[in-house]
Amino acid sequence: EPEVTQTPSHQVTQMGQEVILRCVPISNHLYFYWYRQILGQKVEFLVSFYNNEISEKSEIFDDQFSVERPDGSNFTLKIRSTKLEDSAMYFCASSETVRNNEKLFFGSGTQLSVL
Amino acid sequence: AQKVTQAQTEISVVEKEDVTLDCVYETRDTTYYLFWYKQPPSGELVFLIRRNSFDEQNEISGRYSWNFQKSTSSFNFTITASQVVDSAVYFCALTRNQAGTALIFGKGTTLSVSS
Repeated sequence: EPEVTQTPSHQVTQMGQEVILRCVPISNHLYFYWYRQILGQKVEFLVSFYNNEISEKSEIFDDQFSVERPDGSNFTLKIRSTKLEDSAMYFCASSETVRNNEKLFFGSGTQLSVL
Repeated sequence: AQKVTQAQTEISVVEKEDVTLDCVYETRDTTYYLFWYKQPPSGELVFLIRRNSFDEQNEISGRYSWNFQKSTSSFNFTITASQVVDSAVYFCALTRNQAGTALIFGKGTTLSVSS
């Protein structure tokens, strides 16, 4: 079965540094998402992306965050100046069609640790 | 506002026992979608089921079954004859009838199955 691929699996960074998390969604999928999960807590929506635009974003997704699909295959999440509270597992997801609420395929996640 | 409540934080059972994971949701929408995801110790999110609000038929898939009761806003998940491999965190999630919108997750129930 096709997979959503995320790199790196673990990322350690210093507070204040910029970090880019990378995702390769499933190739024929049209909607892309980022979610995060702080250790031991629930999974939280950050942003959805369709047709090279943000479709929806949560209040977590402030000016420190940005997303990009630079080359038609990768989908990236950038955090400009990381804070300790950004430490979390970040999941990328994609869905196939524009029909409502198709099944989301999640990647295995990137564990971000901000020191 | 949408909300998902999984009141059971942790459940421990012995292999071959049946176990039911509860999920109660809140939404003002008349059309919505409910999901269950499994997060094994390896961390990825595995899709289990999607159900729309107009389909109240219970579903069975092998040892898994789901009971959707719109009258009580519940979407409970039962594992029959549990196995050690069922040990995971299980998340119930809710989304609106809108493409690209957020999945709202519950806090999850950690299921531990011992042999």
